[in-house]
Amino acid sequence: AQTVTQSQPEMSVQEAETVTLSCTYDTSENNYYLFWYKQPPSRQMILVIRQEAYKQQNATENRFSVNFQKAAKSFSLKISDSQLGDTAMYFCAFTFRTGANNLFFGTGTRLTVIP
Amino acid sequence: DTEVTQTPKHLVMGMTNKKSLKCEQHMGHRAMYWYKQKAKKPPELMFVYSYEKLSINESVPSRFSPECPNSSLLNLHLHALQPEDSALYLCASSQLTQGARTEAFFGQGTRLTVV
Repeated sequence: AQTVTQSQPEMSVQEAETVTLSCTYDTSENNYYLFWYKQPPSRQMILVIRQEAYKQQNATENRFSVNFQKAAKSFSLKISDSQLGDTAMYFCAFTFRTGANNLFFGTGTRLTVIP
Repeated sequence: DTEVTQTPKHLVMGMTNKKSLKCEQHMGHRAMYWYKQKAKKPPELMFVYSYEKLSINESVPSRFSPECPNSSLLNLHLHALQPEDSALYLCASSQLTQGARTEAFFGQGTRLTVV
């Protein structure tokens, strides 16, 4: 079975500071994708960043970067220069590499950026 | 066009009503999904369609009936719902081509209230 664990239900960060959200997962598969999705109060689930498990290089997207440790099954998200618009629920998610598959979500971390 | 459009945005229905949720995408994606999300919880998969055929049904009660009339449209027909079915219903789509990016794009959801 696939599980995704986010151990931080809530976090806060001062505007312009850096924050790291944690995620661990468990799977016996070798080929998979990992994602961070953001869900602001507007409800839409927005992809923040993706990581392919076979790539050793950590993904980056502007102010967002990940620390992917495959052996440890860890996938943390770092947000640099936090902005008020980053306030949202953040979900870590996992899916298999091929086909139409379920996204296995963690329980989410509610991030508040404080002005 | 990277949008998944869901209608309606809000729906209030009685337990004896029949209603439908609609989802549309024009990204050429051949996988489409229905997720159910309760407040402060991650989305839970309900159904997956691959190439317009139902490929995954996560033991969803028959009062929810999905339909995929063509590669761009996905419907969820609702009948005799219970108050506990009140939730945010999210539609998503993704590519299926071998080697393609498999991240799911989500719609804004339909907030359903059963009275």
